[in-house]
Amino acid sequence: KNEVEQSPQNLTAQEGEFITINCSYSVGISALHWLQQHPGGGIVSLFMLSSGKKKHGRLIATINIQEKHSSLHITASHPRDSAVYICAVRARYNFNKFYFGSGTKLNVKP
Amino acid sequence: KAGVTQTPRYLIKTRGQQVTLSCSPISGHRSVSWYQQTPGQGLQFLFEYFSETQRNKGNFPGRFSGRQFSNSRSEMNVSTLELGDSALYLCASSSDSPMNTEAFFGQGTRLTVV
Repeated sequence: KNEVEQSPQNLTAQEGEFITINCSYSVGISALHWLQQHPGGGIVSLFMLSSGKKKHGRLIATINIQEKHSSLHITASHPRDSAVYICAVRARYNFNKFYFGSGTKLNVKP
Repeated sequence: KAGVTQTPRYLIKTRGQQVTLSCSPISGHRSVSWYQQTPGQGLQFLFEYFSETQRNKGNFPGRFSGRQFSNSRSEMNVSTLELGDSALYLCASSSDSPMNTEAFFGQGTRLTVV
């Protein structure tokens, strides 16, 4: 069983739609990160969360520590948001090791 | 703060060669961990270094090694490259305090073995 599960694996949306990507984890964590990876590109950090909610532009990330769940929302999606979104958790007991979800591949059509 | 710097960003090597990748962490961070992402696979833990010592190691063959210098910069080395080593190699920089959850990721080094 993977320590971090993401859903959906693939997501296709029309430009302007509201998008939600979910992440559930089974280990105790000190923080959760959302990462973005464009095809053939490197990794870009979007958010680091240990509680509550963060917003950056059209992106919103929330975390519920009790339920061990986080969501990444994209409002007014745009084709340039097309990428793989990866959830990563930093384990509390082994706090310098990260566990990663398998990623959600998002395709936003114009 | 300057971000985590990984060099080079892209690299092409031939089977049988060796390669060295570098990761410079955020100033003040003494822990560096490394991960491998192969096509179709998620990110897998390679190893973690703290204060020039390897503290954790993932399930990779001995061809994968690393080290950390006194300035916390870390290098990883892959010897006798195989086609399957083609991957994105990512490093993460973090503090060593459970009270400080700050951690940052590099952009990764994309290695292609031909």
